[in-house]
Amino acid sequence: IQMTQSPSSLSASVGDRVTITCRASQNIDNFVNWYQQKPGQAPKVLICGASTLRSGVPSRFSGSGYGAEFTLSISSLQSEDYGTYYCQQSYSAPRTFGEGTKVEIK
Amino acid sequence: EVQLVQSGAEVKKPGESLKISCKGSGYRFANSWIGWVRQMPGKGLEWVGIIYPGDSDLRYAPSFEGQVTISADTSTSTTFLQWNSLKPSDTAMYYCARQWDFFDSSAQIIPLFDYWGQGTLVTVSS
Repeated sequence: IQMTQSPSSLSASVGDRVTITCRASQNIDNFVNWYQQKPGQAPKVLICGASTLRSGVPSRFSGSGYGAEFTLSISSLQSEDYGTYYCQQSYSAPRTFGEGTKVEIK
Repeated sequence: EVQLVQSGAEVKKPGESLKISCKGSGYRFANSWIGWVRQMPGKGLEWVGIIYPGDSDLRYAPSFEGQVTISADTSTSTTFLQWNSLKPSDTAMYYCARQWDFFDSSAQIIPLFDYWGQGTLVTVSS
């Protein structure tokens, strides 16, 4: 299963709303997870099952979608939200990741 | 507290063998899948494979099948990723991660990687 993310990068200001899209090559129900990776660090899971926020993740992050199209949104971008965001399908092995979206703060 | 601690950085020559490790603690090691993820320099995440230590059930991504070997030792709560003959293209950061099963509102089981090791940098160069 291929996961296609867009955009590949974006630059936004603090307070902006940011949306990242991930499209699967087939129907995967809600079997999508989102991760954030900061430079020099291991990834951290933000959202599982397309829309469930993991414990400790700020509520400005949200996920939506079902079937083959999914979005990760940040309602009000904060300075600490820089990094690269990856979607991952967990519908079947190999549980592939998207190519990533690099988020920069203007 | 769940922790995954990986072995240190390695510098190897092409053709050499290598085995890196990932030691789990703070949870029932034998009863949780552990996966390996590759990240080549400046690139994204690639799912390598996954093992269930309790019975050594394995899954590999097709592009890694036959190129690496994943194993586990429940007596030391350690998972391994092994190469028999390294290539320069194996140069990457390798992460181990614990798979956790999330039950959604429909009671579907959605696997995710909830805890990650700190990564092991493997450099292959002549």
